Amino acid sequence: GAVVSQHPSRVICKSGTSVKIECRSLDFQATTMFWYRQFPKQSLMLMATSNEGSKATYEQGVEKDKFLINHASLTLSTLTVTSAHPEDSSFYICSAASGRPYNEQFFGPGTRLTVL
Amino acid sequence: QKEVEQNSGPLSVPEGAIASLNCTYSDRGSQSFFWYRQYSGKSPELIMFIYSNGDKEDGRFTAQLNKASQYVSLLIRDSQPSDSATYLCAAGRSVNYGGSQGNLIFGKGTKLSVKP
Repeated sequence: GAVVSQHPSRVICKSGTSVKIECRSLDFQATTMFWYRQFPKQSLMLMATSNEGSKATYEQGVEKDKFLINHASLTLSTLTVTSAHPEDSSFYICSAASGRPYNEQFFGPGTRLTVL
Repeated sequence: QKEVEQNSGPLSVPEGAIASLNCTYSDRGSQSFFWYRQYSGKSPELIMFIYSNGDKEDGRFTAQLNKASQYVSLLIRDSQPSDSATYLCAAGRSVNYGGSQGNLIFGKGTKLSVKP
């Protein structure tokens, strides 16, 4: 299957700092990348959809000025959590869509963010 | 509103038995359906996808799709303790229909426990 990497896998930061998470599709060009958030024992929540070279589409209730998404190439998307607060602590997972007819999504391993 | 419904479980089966996981979806425009497995603390892993009515088999896994009933299921034969995880069902429109960006609608997942 397709491989998606995510970096870092774990980050601990102080409240008020910004954190950047990278998502890369390693062996295919992703037409679209997605960013999800998952709180403990809860389901995946789609935060935003990102297409290369265009602005991300954010889901309702997700602050676009707080969660900055940049999709610089067909293999790289970044999520920056600006001025992070403890309530932003969560498991952030990206996925990349293959673009093949049925558009399977392949997930990165996730980034666990802890804001102190 | 497009929804994917799953029984949250937990579904408990003995080792060696068949585990049956079910899912219904509301969007009649959905063309492709995916089953993901998520171990605790990890990101989802694609098990298989299906887009035609009927059954699709891959090793111990069989996906079943009934578009008329808007129903998808996953059967796991000879269940093993290592199959214990949360199983996510997702529905999406293929890129060939409706200009979709490939968003998938995820269910909240069914927790499966396979007892030795």
